Amino acid sequence: SAVISQKPSRDICQRGTSLTIQCQVDSQVTMMFWYRQQPGQSLTLIATANQGSEATYESGFVIDKFPISRPNLTFSTLTVSNMSPEDSSIYLCSVYTGNEKLFFGSGTQLSVL
Amino acid sequence: KQEVTQIPAALSVPEGENLVLNCSFTDSAIYNLQWFRQDPGKGLTSLLLIQSSQREQTSGRLNASLDKSSGRSTLYIAASQPGDSATYLCAVKDAGNMLTFGGGTRLMVKP
Repeated sequence: SAVISQKPSRDICQRGTSLTIQCQVDSQVTMMFWYRQQPGQSLTLIATANQGSEATYESGFVIDKFPISRPNLTFSTLTVSNMSPEDSSIYLCSVYTGNEKLFFGSGTQLSVL
Repeated sequence: KQEVTQIPAALSVPEGENLVLNCSFTDSAIYNLQWFRQDPGKGLTSLLLIQSSQREQTSGRLNASLDKSSGRSTLYIAASQPGDSATYLCAVKDAGNMLTFGGGTRLMVKP
């Protein structure tokens, strides 16, 4: 299994500001995944973060809006930039373990006013 | 493009009942299927992972089955308890490593 520490657990932010979400994994992993879960919806993949290279973004998500850092094999950050109320969601990081199970952080519940 | 559907969207049962949650997918060429539990405002907890070559997996009161040919998986919860109240999601992984989530079933078990 994997233990993922995600911070902050929740935040209320003003329109136009930015929030950086951190995820720390208790073991080294090649890829970390960032998801968004809008209210009442299922999960949508934002991007895949690889150590030592730029993140790979899914259709509809761009680096200017969701910059990602991956400085080492246990840590990653996702920034939600220039926020609007439409960005209010739960943001989740996740990793695969050796047995191919996907493990998630505890999530960041973001509300934008 | 893979589409994953979970029915029902919400379910309310009395404590002690056995229940079945359904997950269907449109493309049977899957690599594996995973069931998750999500508590309100929280992350997802992995429950069971079924590889494409397997028919079922069991953990405690939970049993997940997979029928690739019909594009279906079920999660069986025996002797439900109020602590089982949560949203249950299934996710299908294809050979290209793309993961597609269902919309989830919101379960409430009443004491």
